Amino acid sequence: QITLKESGPTLVEPTQTLTLTCTFSGFSLYSNSVAVGWFRQSPGGALEWLALIFWTGAKRYSPSLKDRVSIATDTSRERVVLTLTNLDPVDTATYYCAHRGIPYYYDGAGRNLFFDYWGPGVLVSVSS
Amino acid sequence: QSALTQPPSASGSPGQSVTISCTGSNSDVGSYDYVSWYQQHPGKVPRLIIYEVHKRPSGVPDRFSGFKSGNTASLTVSVLQTEDEADYYCSSYAGSNNLIFGGGTKLTVL
Repeated sequence: QITLKESGPTLVEPTQTLTLTCTFSGFSLYSNSVAVGWFRQSPGGALEWLALIFWTGAKRYSPSLKDRVSIATDTSRERVVLTLTNLDPVDTATYYCAHRGIPYYYDGAGRNLFFDYWGPGVLVSVSS
Repeated sequence: QSALTQPPSASGSPGQSVTISCTGSNSDVGSYDYVSWYQQHPGKVPRLIIYEVHKRPSGVPDRFSGFKSGNTASLTVSVLQTEDEADYYCSSYAGSNNLIFGGGTKLTVL
């Protein structure tokens, strides 16, 4: 059974750095085609993709945030960490991590991106 | 990369069908068969209901179907039920290692 759960601060001051951890079980980031993504959703707003890390260690970032966002795994590859720098109140959102669905056909280019298991999310407020 | 365009709202009566559009460009929806759809009830987590344009994960009723023509993808919900009332988001690979979402459509079952 695949599960994911986000953890981290729920209140951060402007200009500070946010670090969120996604702890997962039921799959391995060593397995072929596996990836974990981070997303966010502002209150009443739409979903937004932030970052993605593949089983190969390759990383992808949203062009709109790539100067501020980074993704990494811990040494055991059992957690995925998202870092977002220079926070602003507009970064207030619920942040989710999710497991990438495994395509039936091998997708070496990593373009077939759909997410079949999601964590419950963590609401992060940016305010002084 | 611009977000995909969805109508803000859609509605239908129980038993009817409703189709939600998702319009992109020839850089995203028009170039890749990597469109997915998510259902999100208020206060809940997104749920994958369609991937690769038209495929359904196990457990998703066949009342949900996906289609694509040119730069526009669509989600049809047939035989509407009250539990289908939710927000729906489309997503597409957009080239250059980018993934984009639509603005979401609020589906109301009258």
